[in-house]
Amino acid sequence: DAKTTQPTSMDCAEGRAANLPCNHSTISGNEYVYWYRQIHSQGPQYIIHGLKNNETNEMASLIITEDRKSSTLILPHATLRDTAVYYCIVRVAIGNAGNMLTFGGGTRLMVKP
Amino acid sequence: NAGVTQTPKFQVLKTGQSMTLQCAQDMNHEYMSWYRQDPGMGLRLIHYSVGAGITDQGEVPNGYNVSRSTTEDFPLRLLSAAPSQTSVYFCASSWTGLAINEQFFGPGTRLTVL
Repeated sequence: DAKTTQPTSMDCAEGRAANLPCNHSTISGNEYVYWYRQIHSQGPQYIIHGLKNNETNEMASLIITEDRKSSTLILPHATLRDTAVYYCIVRVAIGNAGNMLTFGGGTRLMVKP
Repeated sequence: NAGVTQTPKFQVLKTGQSMTLQCAQDMNHEYMSWYRQDPGMGLRLIHYSVGAGITDQGEVPNGYNVSRSTTEDFPLRLLSAAPSQTSVYFCASSWTGLAINEQFFGPGTRLTVL
């Protein structure tokens, strides 16, 4: 699976958009980009995933560059409850090889009033 | 639906003791897994199961056993607890073992081994 690089921490003002970058320059053609988050002391929570097209759901938007070497998770109107560690994960979507999610360090997002 | 439940929430063991961490899901998911998370670190996969009667090792399986006799339950056994097993343990499930499927995580069990 491709390795990802994320900033260690970011701040965002409440009500503003939070843009969380992720670099995955070694991503291969069959690898998806997944985002999970972990609010303090809780289990991780799935947010969104994508292959090459931009994706949007009720929680967030995922923007993937045309060369697929980087992506950005956008929380359009961040609230205090969005304070969490955000993990960007890249892996193949097919194959029953354990469905292992490789969680790196993630980005600690602090939403401030 | 209760989703993924884990018991106990907290546990303190002495070195050498054994115990079982319980995990259950009510979503009829085929795939279940156990992760551990050490302070300030990401999650690491211990064991996983792609269906009842089928289990396999993950990234850090040593010191742990699992079994999957039913679709709903996936207990994790610590055979002889060691201080290095002090961690937070998360159980997760998804429809299948395909990575495309969203994984649902339990609330975690916080284990301290003295």
